[in-house]
Amino acid sequence: SQKIEQNSEALNIQEGKTATLTCNYTNYSPAYLQWYRQDPGRGPVFLLLIRENEKEKRKERLKVTFDTTLKQSLFHITASQPADSATYLCAPDTGFQKLVFGTGTRLLVSP
Amino acid sequence: DTGVSQDPRHKITKRGQNVTFRCDPISEHNRLYWYRQTLGQGPEFLTYFQNEAQLEKSRLLSDRFSAERPKGSFSTLEIQRTEQGDSAMYLCASSQSRQGADTQYFGPGTRLTVL
Repeated sequence: SQKIEQNSEALNIQEGKTATLTCNYTNYSPAYLQWYRQDPGRGPVFLLLIRENEKEKRKERLKVTFDTTLKQSLFHITASQPADSATYLCAPDTGFQKLVFGTGTRLLVSP
Repeated sequence: DTGVSQDPRHKITKRGQNVTFRCDPISEHNRLYWYRQTLGQGPEFLTYFQNEAQLEKSRLLSDRFSAERPKGSFSTLEIQRTEQGDSAMYLCASSQSRQGADTQYFGPGTRLTVL
């Protein structure tokens, strides 16, 4: 069955460092993959979408890579700030309109 | 603020009671989704509408759950005879259908607690 894996353990980093979050998927081939940010008690907020023919996508301090051979996407936040602390969810395309999310990785950026 | 609103934001009810939640999507969006999220998990799909037609329902959606989108604008999600296992955050999202990717905009959610 289709499976999406994100590191369930929180990632703790110091302000100014680069945070790297991983999303692995198995048993399907998404045409694109989305990343969302979720703050406690709030709905997810769309950040970036990367398509299968794009190796890398950037938006300000955010960078996403998509390796269809490894079946993996990496999400990077450079020059991280305490305000970047949140849970980050990946959602590979399933071929249907609905989104299927990973469990999310909680990022904690300390000053 | 994404432009998607949900009401109420919090609901506490006793087991066995019925509850109804409302979602107002972004006005030009024709697709509307309901998801459920429990602590430590990502949102799980429940159902989705394109305009007023309900096109897909998850197997998670038992007979006690019903959703409507009567005029293709706002939507309601009703849970009858609530159970403690229904306690969760209920999220609504909307999108504008286009070829390829469907980026969804989420509301703030309704947190349901069943006592």
